[in-house]
Parts: sequence; C-alpha cells; structure tokens
Amino acid sequence: DIQMTQSPSTLSASVGERVTITCRASQSIRRWLAWYQQKPGKAPKVLISSASILESGVPSRFSGSGSGTEFTLTISSLQPDDFATYYCQQYNTYSPVTFGQGTKLEIK
Amino acid sequence: QVQLQESGPGLVKPSQTLSLTCTVSGDSISSGNSSWSWIRQPAVKGLEWIGRFYTTGSTDTDYNPSLKSRVTMSLDTSTNRFSLSLSSVTDADTAVYYCARAPLGTFIDSWGQGTLVTVSS
Repeated sequence: DIQMTQSPSTLSASVGERVTITCRASQSIRRWLAWYQQKPGKAPKVLISSASILESGVPSRFSGSGSGTEFTLTISSLQPDDFATYYCQQYNTYSPVTFGQGTKLEIK
Repeated sequence: QVQLQESGPGLVKPSQTLSLTCTVSGDSISSGNSSWSWIRQPAVKGLEWIGRFYTTGSTDTDYNPSLKSRVTMSLDTSTNRFSLSLSSVTDADTAVYYCARAPLGTFIDSWGQGTLVTVSS
C-alpha cells in the first residue's frame, strides 16, 4: 500500500499568516493527490485535486503543489474560517485509497 | 446533485456484525462512472478508508488490507443502495462511518453526512 505522511500534525498560526502543510507518499503517485478540509461534526470537503487544481468555490488563498512523492498545501493569508483539520489523500487507481493522518490548524 | 445518506444501528455489541446502508440519489451506483466507498473516523482521529466498489462491466471491490478479512460490501441496484458489513467488531470499530462517491480515477467529490456507530455491550 501507499502510505501518506503529513506534517506537521498540529499547526498554530494567526489570522493573516501564510502556512504550509506537507504530505509525502511512500512511492510515486504522480499528481493523484487531493487535499480536504474538515470541520468538527462535518464531512470533509475537497479543496484541491490533481495536486494543484483548485476546486470550484474554493478561495484562491488556497494552493497546492508537488508531484511524485512530495506535496504541499499552502494558505496564503489565514482567515478565521480556515481553522480546521486538513487531510491529503492519494487516489492512484491501482492502489487502495489512503489518507494522511491529518493536520489540525489552530489559532495561535 | 448527488446525495448520499447513511443508515443503520447506532449501537452494536462486541463480536457482532456492524451493518450500514448508503442510499444514493442523483446518480446511479451502477452507471460505471464512479466508485463508491465507505470511510470511517474514530473520535478525534483521522480518516480511514474501508473499501470501495465500482461497476465497469462487472462489479469489482477493493478493501483496506487491514480490514479485508472482516469487510463485505454489497450493492442493490434496484434501490440504488450499497451496504457495508463489518464482522467481529470491537471497541476499536467505534467511529463515524461515511459513504462517499469518487468519479472513476479521481478524488472523493461527495460524502454522506456520516453516522456514528458505537461498539459497546
């Protein structure tokens, strides 16, 4: 199986700050990576697909990059609504789906 | 717009079988355009993918290797529902269970609201 390792597990930041979350795959997944945001009591919501494609309705302060085994999610200027937990997920067609362990973004 | 809704018992006794159903509207589970998954999330923990099926000619399933020996997924195309059975449950299976859709070869684009299943005697 492809293992996904996210870092950090917790991130404390202030409104207006730029933050970056990293996700590493145990083998190449090309660009088959999505980022999700989850708020308490809610299902995850996709932010980015194919490593860098911003999904419809997602604010442009979110961006994704990377390919192969290393990926990043960047929020350019944190807003109060962004404090949540973020997950990466690989969706390589020929492997079981796997998620990163999550990054909880907290208010500093 | 596709909608998914989980249903089933909220309490299951240890060693018994957990059974959940996902009712889909707005898309056909037999269309062959998507895969249909179960995902769970224990309290204050991360997401764990349980398994999926997809219908491209025949019905194929993938399961999380760590759960494979206890998981069965099935579908009922006449009612547009699919189901999860997880046998021999323990406390560790207590979680919110989600059903979800992923257009073939892509990310999960639709989720149910989730249903909490507690394993307790």
